[in-house]
Amino acid sequence: DAMVIQNPRYQVTQFGKPVTLSCSQTLNHNVMYWYQQKSSQAPKLLFHYYDKDFNNEADTPDNFQSRRPNTSFCFLDIRSPGLGDAAMYLCATSRVWGAYNEQFFGPGTRLTVL
Amino acid sequence: AQTVTQSQPEMSVQEAETVTLSCTYDTSESDYYLFWYKQPPSRQMILVIRQEAYKQQNATENRFSVNFQKAAKSFSLKISDSQLGDAAMYFCAYRSGGGGGSQGNLIFGKGTKLSVKP
Repeated sequence: DAMVIQNPRYQVTQFGKPVTLSCSQTLNHNVMYWYQQKSSQAPKLLFHYYDKDFNNEADTPDNFQSRRPNTSFCFLDIRSPGLGDAAMYLCATSRVWGAYNEQFFGPGTRLTVL
Repeated sequence: AQTVTQSQPEMSVQEAETVTLSCTYDTSESDYYLFWYKQPPSRQMILVIRQEAYKQQNATENRFSVNFQKAAKSFSLKISDSQLGDAAMYFCAYRSGGGGGSQGNLIFGKGTKLSVKP
């Protein structure tokens, strides 16, 4: 089945130690998104790629970076994780850019910062 | 800026009964889309139902239907014949239908946790 895959499902890192979260998709969708979801809060968009074009949300901290080496893969890099970055990170895709298009979500990676 | 409010942090329903989850939103736009997403425990978020603001007819997907009141900026979700598998966090979401870079951004409410009692 076509799907959005996130690895690992659980990630533990130390304060200040760089960490990379991975997302892959078999849907061949043009758009990939990264969301941050803190406990009991709504998912918050960090950035998205439309093909190779990177779009950063205005309030996304510089500590968060992303790479999309090809259509299938997208990475979230946290350069110096702080305790406040502990959250669930959701990857999503959509076929094209447009308000009506459904976003397909991965199961998320839960990040713990010690 | 657009906001989405879900005023019920938690809801409970008896199996086979009907439950309605509330959602209100604030926007000055006339062209937009509304969504309900379901996030089961430890599983990925999936789309339940969506509504175009320009359509007056309420969307329906099997046991799920919405009550879209555009003037009141209300978008509630009704689940009929509730099943144990409906237990999840439900998020209401808004997306602008206009042009520009923010068109695709989903704005989520804080969610409603639905429990289904056997």
